[in-house]
Amino acid sequence: SQTIHQWPATLVQPVGSPLSLECTVEGTSNPNLYWYRQAAGRGLQLLFYSVGIGQISSEVPQNLSASRPQDRQFILSSKKLLLSDSGFYLCAWSVHAAYSNQPQHFGDGTRLSIL
Amino acid sequence: EDQVTQSPEALRLQEGESSSLNCSYTVSGLRGLFWYRQDPGKGPEFLFTLYSAGEEKEKERLKATLTKKESFLHITAPKPEDSATYLCAVQARDDKIIFGKGTRLHILP
Repeated sequence: SQTIHQWPATLVQPVGSPLSLECTVEGTSNPNLYWYRQAAGRGLQLLFYSVGIGQISSEVPQNLSASRPQDRQFILSSKKLLLSDSGFYLCAWSVHAAYSNQPQHFGDGTRLSIL
Repeated sequence: EDQVTQSPEALRLQEGESSSLNCSYTVSGLRGLFWYRQDPGKGPEFLFTLYSAGEEKEKERLKATLTKKESFLHITAPKPEDSATYLCAVQARDDKIIFGKGTRLHILP
């Protein structure tokens, strides 16, 4: 069966510090991968998605970047964190299929607090 | 503009008191509608996919239905462990997925 792992579960970082959040998927090949941010009362905001190694699409301009160095690895990064980067970050995967109406499956998230 | 609206924002029920959660959507060319359950501090857990009007899916005490404008998540005789936030998401023709803000459900024992 497929599993998705995110780490760390919680992270407290000072303003201006770098960030690296990692997500890996097991039990499937060539998945679509996604990074979301979830803010209280605002729902899930799609940040990045990837349909293959090295292929990254950004949905919103921001202080963050994403990379996909391996088929089942997705990394969210920042060179300098801002206070507004605080939030709950979720990684998700879906089957890479011709008809893309497949559900996304989420990891357990990283709670990021910027001080 | 593609939009997903969930109602109510929050719902408190007594154990055994059945009810329904609503997900209204406007989207250009529905590819799929998804229901998720999210527990505090956790990622959303996939429940159902509905693809066309008239379709229904069931899982234990939950039943999801779909019309051309909305979806309902019916909860029959809920238990305290059904307490969670329920999220609805729709996928449009351009493959973009839009999430609603969720309904916080609290079942009192």
